[in-house]
Amino acid sequence: NAGVMQNPRHLVRRRGQEARLRCSPMKGHSHVYWYRQLPEEGLKFMVYLQKENIIDESGMPKERFSAEFPKEGPSILRIQQVVRGDSAAYFCASSPGQGDAYGYTFGSGTRLTVV
Amino acid sequence: SQQGEEDPQALSIQEGENATMNCSYKTSINNLQWYRQNSGRGLVHLILIRSNEREKHSGRLRVTLDTSKKSSSLLITASRAADTASYFCATVYSGAGSYQLTFGKGTKLSVIP
Repeated sequence: NAGVMQNPRHLVRRRGQEARLRCSPMKGHSHVYWYRQLPEEGLKFMVYLQKENIIDESGMPKERFSAEFPKEGPSILRIQQVVRGDSAAYFCASSPGQGDAYGYTFGSGTRLTVV
Repeated sequence: SQQGEEDPQALSIQEGENATMNCSYKTSINNLQWYRQNSGRGLVHLILIRSNEREKHSGRLRVTLDTSKKSSSLLITASRAADTASYFCATVYSGAGSYQLTFGKGTKLSVIP
């Protein structure tokens, strides 16, 4: 069981480019959560998805950010027209059911640097 | 803000000593979880304590929960250099959005060999 796989581990983008972050949940997990961690801060919830559905995107900025979890393939967090303030570590977690009853497994994160 | 807070922000101890970290939160919770993060790495789940539990043990870890004071503590006994990391508490609140983890800013623990 490979755990939650995130790629790339590190991503450098110039201002205005697009960033695509991928997350493959643990085998058997159909619930995915994205969190963002700014330097020296705790993680902040962004979005919760189940297969083909966005359940809660209340933590996502309204513009430039989108997330999907298609029927086949990994979950994607997409940031369009990146700005310096988007530089952060983005973590994905998965669970077999709604997380608070089942617990969460986190990936190693994608560190995005916007130059 | 519902964000929890860890205390202290940083802690430096000698190997073999015990380390105690505290966490406070604001509203009713379903459970509280502790995570470890090594520098530049992902989070590792350490222990989960439910709102109807008062104490839980896992190896050298001991977690307590006082729902009347809305606080929790993590005790690491007989610390090792490998315990050097940041430790975060995360709460799952009752009610709507009860799948979200709300993290504090963490306690940075340094264990000196």
